[in-house]
Amino acid sequence: AQRVTQPEKLLSVFKGAPVELKCNYSYSGSPELFWYVQYSRQRLQLLLRHISRESIKGFTADLNKGETSFHLKKPFAQEEDSAMYYCALRRIYNQGGKLIFGQGTELSVKP
Amino acid sequence: EPEVTQTPSHQVTQMGQEVILRCVPISNHLYFYWYRQILGQKVEFLVSFYNNEISEKSEIFDDQFSVERPDGSNFTLKIRSTKLEDSAMYFCASSDSTPATNEKLFFGSGTQLSVL
Repeated sequence: AQRVTQPEKLLSVFKGAPVELKCNYSYSGSPELFWYVQYSRQRLQLLLRHISRESIKGFTADLNKGETSFHLKKPFAQEEDSAMYYCALRRIYNQGGKLIFGQGTELSVKP
Repeated sequence: EPEVTQTPSHQVTQMGQEVILRCVPISNHLYFYWYRQILGQKVEFLVSFYNNEISEKSEIFDDQFSVERPDGSNFTLKIRSTKLEDSAMYFCASSDSTPATNEKLFFGSGTQLSVL
């Protein structure tokens, strides 16, 4: 079965603390993994994708095929990072293919 | 940055009525999508559309649903006879046709559909 699991509904940290938002997946083929973010009153937008191996706004995520995980990390959280974060996957190189989303984790960064 | 536009932002309808949700994708994009999110649940794929036809659809997208690109700019989702369980936030998205490594989805701000 194709599934994305984000075990935490809410993650609350203090400013400057490290953050790790967990994402595990179940997929029979070769997946492409993404993190999307939705800031308050804004639209869903792509944060990063594993293929690009980039760091966006200080966030990184490494695809671990052995553990079927794609956790999102940031060493020092900022208040403006507070948002809803969604992990998603699709079949790799499947242009135009559907995304399968996790439940989402709300990150709250307190001052 | 160009945006995907959705109208209306809120739609209230009676059970059994037809609704049409409207979207204007980004102008040079060729792939179009509808997703929905029932309150408290995951964002779920409904349908993808390319080259004037459905390329993929989910189990949710039954005969009550249809999509159309009536002109060069609009992309609509029609629900023929709404049910209470159709109440959700509906997101339109589009993407371009550059090589797959550069593709990303651009989402609209959503239409909140409430079926009474």
